[in-house]
Amino acid sequence: ETGVTQTPRHLVMGMTNKKSLKCEQHLGHNAMYWYKQSAKKPLELMFVYSLEERVENNSVPSRFSPECPNSSHLFLHLHTLQPEDSALYLCASSQDAGGRTGELFFGEGSRLTVL
Amino acid sequence: GQNIDQPTEMTATEGAIVQINCTYQTSGFNGLFWYQQHAGEAPTFLSYNVLDGLEEKGRFSSFLSRSKGYSYLLLKELQMKDSASYLCAVTVGLNTGFQKLVFGTGTRLLVSP
Repeated sequence: ETGVTQTPRHLVMGMTNKKSLKCEQHLGHNAMYWYKQSAKKPLELMFVYSLEERVENNSVPSRFSPECPNSSHLFLHLHTLQPEDSALYLCASSQDAGGRTGELFFGEGSRLTVL
Repeated sequence: GQNIDQPTEMTATEGAIVQINCTYQTSGFNGLFWYQQHAGEAPTFLSYNVLDGLEEKGRFSSFLSRSKGYSYLLLKELQMKDSASYLCAVTVGLNTGFQKLVFGTGTRLLVSP
């Protein structure tokens, strides 16, 4: 596999469920990101990890819990979500989080619907 | 605060030229990116500008004026497959010394025959 892969591609969950989104990058990058994409809104940065250390938590509610066990894997654990959390969740990676270009490579996204 | 503005939607005809503008007001600036996103797909990198001027890459060119907080993406010889959203994003520094990309809402381009 190449690039950035995300699973599941689609997820429907109730407000009391607990689920996780998974992201894996095969590019040898050192930084990984979670973004939220809602209709008619800009991509919103949620979390940044550099070499498995969280370097940014962009005022995200605690019902979203990230985990980065190694530089190739990133998870987003979800619990007691609200309907307004329904969105496309995009994972991305870059060579590093402090580099000059910071070009991001995105996964296809996980489309989340909260009922 | 961070503010990045782009038109919501544009339409153009196959074979034509279209210019998508982006203005930004950000706390810090380390470069500007343009990404293309087809419906239901991941955003993909198009261009990067850090110095003033025009960067040309095939049918696509991107311009930057740092003093004006302004950029545009120029698409020539439009093809139907260019119908997509075009995202303008600015790199800003974090307090931790790392960087992040701040995105605009994106411009949805519709190319008609």
